[in-house]
Amino acid sequence: AQSVSQHNHHVILSEAASLELGCNYSYGGTVNLFWYVQYPGQHLQLLLKYFSGDPLVKGIKGFEAEFIKSKFSFNLRKPSVQWSDTAEYFCAVNGYTGTASKLTFGTGTRLQVTL
Amino acid sequence: DADVTQTPRNRITKTGKRIMLECSQTKGHDRMYWYRQDPGLGLRLIYYSFDVKDINKGEISDGYSVSRQAQAKFSLSLESAIPNQTALYFCATSDLNTEAFFGQGTRLTVV
Repeated sequence: AQSVSQHNHHVILSEAASLELGCNYSYGGTVNLFWYVQYPGQHLQLLLKYFSGDPLVKGIKGFEAEFIKSKFSFNLRKPSVQWSDTAEYFCAVNGYTGTASKLTFGTGTRLQVTL
Repeated sequence: DADVTQTPRNRITKTGKRIMLECSQTKGHDRMYWYRQDPGLGLRLIYYSFDVKDINKGEISDGYSVSRQAQAKFSLSLESAIPNQTALYFCATSDLNTEAFFGQGTRLTVV
């Protein structure tokens, strides 16, 4: 069965600190990978996605993620966080068998950025 | 207008009542999903549909049913609501090689 693990449940950082959120998945086939962000009281918005090609993908607001296939990982990074990055972050994997797929989310990481 | 519209946005209902949450999308996508979000548990998949004739159970389908009335419409029903179905429900849509687009969510409270 397909699953996604996010290792950090709650992260507190000072503004300008660097961020890395871990994400590992289990699925033996082809995957598309995503990071979504949910600001308080809002719906999920896409930060970045990996479908194929360069394993280092850049998203909005200065976020990036690296797909390491051998480690089944897709960690999210940002060199310098801002107070406005306070939100919940979800890693998701879409695992394919032919054209059938299922989009599975991790349990989320709550990021709190302090001034 | 939003790409994915959920109605209602908020609902309080009593235990044992039947309730339907509706979702419509204007993206023209074939795939639609229903998730519930609970604190600390992330988003868990209830049902998903690849097209009008293809509906699949997710990881937590017990107590729920769905109907795909058209490519653009996917409704979620709770036949007899219970308090532990109190949650935030999200509908989403995607295509084979796109990300998922989410609705604004429905906050359901079962009392």
